[in-house]
Amino acid sequence: GAVVSQHPSWVICKSGTSVKIECRSLDFQATTMFWYRQFPKQSLMLMATSNEGSKATYEQGVEKDKFLINHASLTLSTLTVTSAHPEDSSFYICSARNLQGAYNSPLHFGNGTRLTVT
Amino acid sequence: AQTVTQSQPEMSVQEAETVTLSCTYDTSESDYYLFWYKQPPSRQMILVIRQEAYKQQNATENRFSVNFQKAAKSFSLKISDSQLGDAAMYFCASLSGTASKLTFGTGTRLQVTL
Repeated sequence: GAVVSQHPSWVICKSGTSVKIECRSLDFQATTMFWYRQFPKQSLMLMATSNEGSKATYEQGVEKDKFLINHASLTLSTLTVTSAHPEDSSFYICSARNLQGAYNSPLHFGNGTRLTVT
Repeated sequence: AQTVTQSQPEMSVQEAETVTLSCTYDTSESDYYLFWYKQPPSRQMILVIRQEAYKQQNATENRFSVNFQKAAKSFSLKISDSQLGDAAMYFCASLSGTASKLTFGTGTRLQVTL
């Protein structure tokens, strides 16, 4: 149980285009999903907290107009990298917390998306 | 604000031996939780073990155990009887009640040798 599906697992796009990454909780409902970015051999940096039915909360230094987050249902959050540039190339990981769980319950992570912008 | 520090970028252990990964943290919260996550080459984040700060007893999950020293703000992970499949990046993380979001350390890459 507690599976989080992230799609696509990898994507290559041209500079200036937009890319959408989906994060789905397959067997549970999640009011809160988190989006992380991970550079090679580095830690996970929280980009934003996605709340179902409301605006996402972005971490300091993360451009909200650049990284659009939508959490339209209890099982789906999307991250759209707009007007992508090579410096946006990275590994993006989503995670979700079960609606039934307390705030301190473990997060369930997706398998990540490797984005390469050429 | 929370900070998590892992001072060992890389560690190596022989199969069947025991290894300890270090982690220190800082938080002003009285209610918080600590985690160890494993990230194998597949990049999937896997929860290894979890510790509630209000519990004095150290958490244990099979071959994995922690040494939680609250006063010293230390949260080390001990892996006993190491197996080849334990090779991965290990991240220490903290979660506070007010922030409700995980803060990760920089990770320790564990190699397991024959």
